[in-house]
Amino acid sequence: DIQMTQSPSTLSASVGDRVTITCRASENINYWLAWYQQKAGKAPKLLIYAASSLESGVPSRFSGSGSGTEFTLTISSLQPDDFATYYCQQYDRWTFGQGTKIEVK
Amino acid sequence: QVQLQESGPGLVKPSQTLSLTCAVSGDSISSGTHYWSWIRQPAGKGLEWIGRTYSSGSTKYNPSLRSRVTMSVDTSKNQFSLNLSSVTAADTAVYYCARMRGYVFDYWGQGALVTVSS
Repeated sequence: DIQMTQSPSTLSASVGDRVTITCRASENINYWLAWYQQKAGKAPKLLIYAASSLESGVPSRFSGSGSGTEFTLTISSLQPDDFATYYCQQYDRWTFGQGTKIEVK
Repeated sequence: QVQLQESGPGLVKPSQTLSLTCAVSGDSISSGTHYWSWIRQPAGKGLEWIGRTYSSGSTKYNPSLRSRVTMSVDTSKNQFSLNLSSVTAADTAVYYCARMRGYVFDYWGQGALVTVSS
């Protein structure tokens, strides 16, 4: 099975910061990776698919990059609404990473 | 606007079967355009894909749960269902239903908390 490892598990940041989260796959998954945002008590929300394609309606401050085994989600300027937990997800058996929580610094 | 809504008992006894239904509006399961999935999340933990179904009734399950999972679809009611047998406390979680677009989950239900306890 393909394993997904996210880092860091927790990230402390301030409004306006540039934030980067990394997701590593145990095998080559080409660009078959998605990113989700989850706020407390809510369902996850799709942000990025195919590693770098922005889902409709998602602010352009979110971007994704990478291919193969290493991927990143970047928030160019962190907004108050962005404090949440972020998950990567790959296509093989639809496995998710363990999540990265962005908290207030 | 596509909406999904989970329903079912919030409390299930150990060894019994957990049953949930997901009602879909704003899209038609019978159109065959999408797969439909169940995903769960124990409190404070990550997301686990349980399985998916299709308008034809075909299914695919997470190997770790395959022996206990059954999913079905009712196109006349535009809903799909999850049965998880022989539950234990480890099955306590929020259960989400979701629409699949390719390999991603683009629409989600609000989630249903199911607690396994006697």
